[in-house]
Amino acid sequence: DQQVKQNSPSLSVQEGRISILNCDYTNSMFDYFLWYKKYPAEGPTFLISISSIKDKNEDGRFTVFLNKSAKHLSLHIVPSQPGDSAVYFCAASVDGTSYGKLTFGQGTILTVHP
Amino acid sequence: DTGVSQDPRHKITKRGQNVTFRCDPISEHNRLYWYRQTLGQGPEFLTYFQNEAQLEKSRLLSDRFSAERPKGSFSTLEIQRTEQGDSAMYLCASSYPGYQPQHFGDGTRLSIL
Repeated sequence: DQQVKQNSPSLSVQEGRISILNCDYTNSMFDYFLWYKKYPAEGPTFLISISSIKDKNEDGRFTVFLNKSAKHLSLHIVPSQPGDSAVYFCAASVDGTSYGKLTFGQGTILTVHP
Repeated sequence: DTGVSQDPRHKITKRGQNVTFRCDPISEHNRLYWYRQTLGQGPEFLTYFQNEAQLEKSRLLSDRFSAERPKGSFSTLEIQRTEQGDSAMYLCASSYPGYQPQHFGDGTRLSIL
C-alpha cells in the first residue's frame, strides 16, 4: 500500500528553467510534508517542509505547494541549476509534527542540463 | 553540529551471518530512527527511539532484527541469520523534539553474498 507516490521516475530540465516535482498521497491523516534531496552514496538531505495548515512555503529557490483537497504537493525549483541534479523524495508524517515516522515516495531523479 | 554518523559504510557478508550496524545521532537529538532503502524505492521506516525507549517497530522488522539505544545516545541495529532479501541501504536519522526535520546519516550498505 503505497501511501505516498511520486509518479514520475525522472525529470530532465534545462539550466535556468523551472523544475516541478510532484507527489500524491492517499492517507488523509498526513499533516506534515517534507522534501529531501539525495546524492549518490549520501543520505537524504532535508530541503523544505510544509504543514497542512499552509498551502505554500518558500525558501530561496525552492517552493512547496500543498493542495489538501487533491492530496497533492509539488516542489518548484526556480531557477534550476546543474547542482540540483539528484534524487528528490517527498515524505509525509502523521501527528502534526515531524516527530513520528516518515512515509516516503519512490523518488524522482532530476537532471538539470547546462 | 557534526551530523549523524553511521558505521560501517559498507558491509559485505555471507548469508546466514549476523551483522551489527552503529548510528551516532546529532548530540542534542533525543529521537533516533532507522529506515531501510532498497533500489528504486524511498526509505521505509523500521523503528524509532525516544531517548532509550523503543516506541514503535514496523512490521518490516522481523524477529531476526533487533535495535537498541542503551544510554539514549548511539544506537545499534543487529540482523541475525542474514538473508538475500536483507541486502539494502540502512539509514539512521535523528531529530529534535518539535517541528524539526529528521537529519539522516549516509547509511550502511549491506550486501549479502
